[in-house]
Amino acid sequence: QEQLVESGGGVVQPGRSLSLSCVASGFTFSDYVMHWVRQAPGKGLEWVAVMWYDGTTKFYADSVKGRFTISRDNSKNTVSLQMNSLRAEDTAVYYCARNLGRATSSPLGPWGQGTLVTVSS
Amino acid sequence: IVLAQSPGTLSLAAGERATLSCRASQSLSHFLAWYQQKPGQAPRLLIYGASSRAAGIPDRFSGSGSGTDFTLSISRLEPEDFAVYYCQHYGSSHITFGQGTRLE
Repeated sequence: QEQLVESGGGVVQPGRSLSLSCVASGFTFSDYVMHWVRQAPGKGLEWVAVMWYDGTTKFYADSVKGRFTISRDNSKNTVSLQMNSLRAEDTAVYYCARNLGRATSSPLGPWGQGTLVTVSS
Repeated sequence: IVLAQSPGTLSLAAGERATLSCRASQSLSHFLAWYQQKPGQAPRLLIYGASSRAAGIPDRFSGSGSGTDFTLSISRLEPEDFAVYYCQHYGSSHITFGQGTRLE
C-alpha cells in the first residue's frame, strides 16, 4: 500500500540545522508532487514547502523561505527538508504528504506519521 | 488567501448533525478540501473539490459550496467523528489551511 515514512526529527539548538527525510513506497514516486506540512504543539496545520515531479520547481511558505530547502531523489523515492537557522517557532511535528492526484493542484492524499522537531537550548 | 473556519469549537452529541463553515478571503473556485485529524494522528482527507468524498469516507460526510463559502456537514455524528476538522485551499504553488474546528 502507499506509504510515507519520515525520519530525522529531534532536539536542536536555535540557530542550528537539521535535515528531515521521507521515504515513499507503494506508488510511482516521480509521478507525484510532494509536500512538507508542520504542526506546532497544540496548534493547527501549516504548509511548509512543495516540490514538483522532477525537482525543478519548488515553493515555500514565507515563514521558512530562505532558511529551509526542499529536495527530492526520485531514484531513492525520497523527499527531504533541510532546515537551517532554526528558531523556537519551528518546533513542530513535520509531516510529508503526497498530492492525491498527479496534477499540480491537488489535495493531499497519503500522509506520513510525522517526525517531531524541537528547537530549544 | 486566508481561510476562516467557524465555529472554533462545536459541541454536539452523537446522532446530531454537524455543520462546519469555511470562508475564504478570495474566490477558490472549487479547490477546497476538508480533513479530519484525531489526536496523535496525521490528517485524513475527507472531501476534495469542495464536494467529492475521498475513497473510503462514509456518506454521512458531505461538502458543499464554491467561490468563498464552503460547508462540511456530518449528517449523524458517530463517536469516532469527534475530532478537529480543517479546510484547505490547494493551488499549484501554495497551500493554505484554515485554523480548524474542534468537534466535541
